[in-house]
Amino acid sequence: DGGITQSPKYLFRKEGQNVTLSCEQNLNHDAMYWYRQDPGQGLRLIYYSQIVNDFQKGDIAEGYSVSREKKESFPLTVTSAQKNPTAFYLCASRLPGQGAGEQFFGPGTRLTVL
Amino acid sequence: AQSVTQLGSHVSVSEGALVLLRCNYSSSVPPYLFWYVQYPNQGLQLLLKYTSAATLVKGINGFEAEFKKSETSFHLTKPSAHMSDAAEYFCAVSDQGTGGFKTIFGAGTRLFVKA
Repeated sequence: DGGITQSPKYLFRKEGQNVTLSCEQNLNHDAMYWYRQDPGQGLRLIYYSQIVNDFQKGDIAEGYSVSREKKESFPLTVTSAQKNPTAFYLCASRLPGQGAGEQFFGPGTRLTVL
Repeated sequence: AQSVTQLGSHVSVSEGALVLLRCNYSSSVPPYLFWYVQYPNQGLQLLLKYTSAATLVKGINGFEAEFKKSETSFHLTKPSAHMSDAAEYFCAVSDQGTGGFKTIFGAGTRLFVKA
């Protein structure tokens, strides 16, 4: 089955540690996205990538970093510079079709900072 | 830039009643509009999308939405609510940024269905 996988589902981190969230897709989509979700705030865009080896900052990129070395993979690193990292993180890819293409989402990773 | 506003962070209906979730958009160009649903601790799933082919769009699970340009609205409806419809619903619009297309999401509306 084609889809997006995120791992781990739950992640616990101590303050001051960097942590990397995995996102893999086998849908052959060029565009991939990372969102952060907090209660009552909807989804906020962290980073997005339209093609391999290229990515753009979203609305809340500070304290996060990404890489896009392969079409299938778009890992997100939450660095110690992120002041409030506890949240639900969602990865998505987008169907080709310019703006009309809908997004496909992974199951999410819930990050908790202890 | 495009934006969407969802009216009402929480909506409660009785099982069998009409579901109406409101969404208004702001766009300087003909918009591409979407409704997504999210069940607890899961990712989002597309319900339906408007891409200018027809103003009344039918989606999965009996949901539909009507694009009204004069009202800049894209409200989501379902004639008869089911307990399984309890979830959070997001209206979204596609936006072209400097780095390509992005999706702008509303804050979400949580639907409660009472037995």
